[in-house]
Amino acid sequence: AQKVTQAQTEISVVEKEDVTLDCVYETRDTTYYLFWYKQPPSGELVFLIRRNSFDEQNEISGRYSWNFQKSTSSFNFTITASQVVDSAVYFCALSEAANYGQNFVFGPGTRLSVLP
Amino acid sequence: EAQVTQNPRYLITVTGKKLTVTCSQNMNHEYMSWYRQDPGLGLRQIYYSMNVEVTDKGDVPEGYKVSRKEKRNFPLILESPSPNQTSLYFCASSLSAGGYTEAFFGQGTRLTVV
Repeated sequence: AQKVTQAQTEISVVEKEDVTLDCVYETRDTTYYLFWYKQPPSGELVFLIRRNSFDEQNEISGRYSWNFQKSTSSFNFTITASQVVDSAVYFCALSEAANYGQNFVFGPGTRLSVLP
Repeated sequence: EAQVTQNPRYLITVTGKKLTVTCSQNMNHEYMSWYRQDPGLGLRQIYYSMNVEVTDKGDVPEGYKVSRKEKRNFPLILESPSPNQTSLYFCASSLSAGGYTEAFFGQGTRLTVV
């Protein structure tokens, strides 16, 4: 069965600190997709990244970077030099190619608070 | 502009009073779905639709109904709302299921049932 675990319920950091949000997933499928979404206080879901299971290259986008390791079934998200605007709930999600009906399985989310 | 539109954004209602949350997309997407978000549980799928007149249950379908009479619309119906359906609801659409294509989410509907 597919499952996403985000063990960190809440994280608080001071502005300019680096912070890593953990995501561990379970799947039996060999083809799958991993996602990160940001939910700011306003409530909408903001797409951050999608990664397919055949692409283990790490990705960097500005202050954001993602580390995908199939060996440990992890897809961790790092924010470098955090800012107050990064305060949000972050969700990791999994989509299995074979599970055609159920688009996403979401983790429980990690609430990040960046203090000035 | 490509978007998924949900209405209303906020709703307070009383137990047992039927309500409908509308969802409309302008991207000609085949796949649409509804999720509810609860603290500590993330988003859980309620129902999904692969195309017009094709709908199926997700993880938490009890107490909800959906219909897909037109490709662009996918309303969520609560026939007899109860307080445990107080939640934040999201509608999503994509060209197809399975993660191949980008999913677009609505702005969310915050429902309170008293």
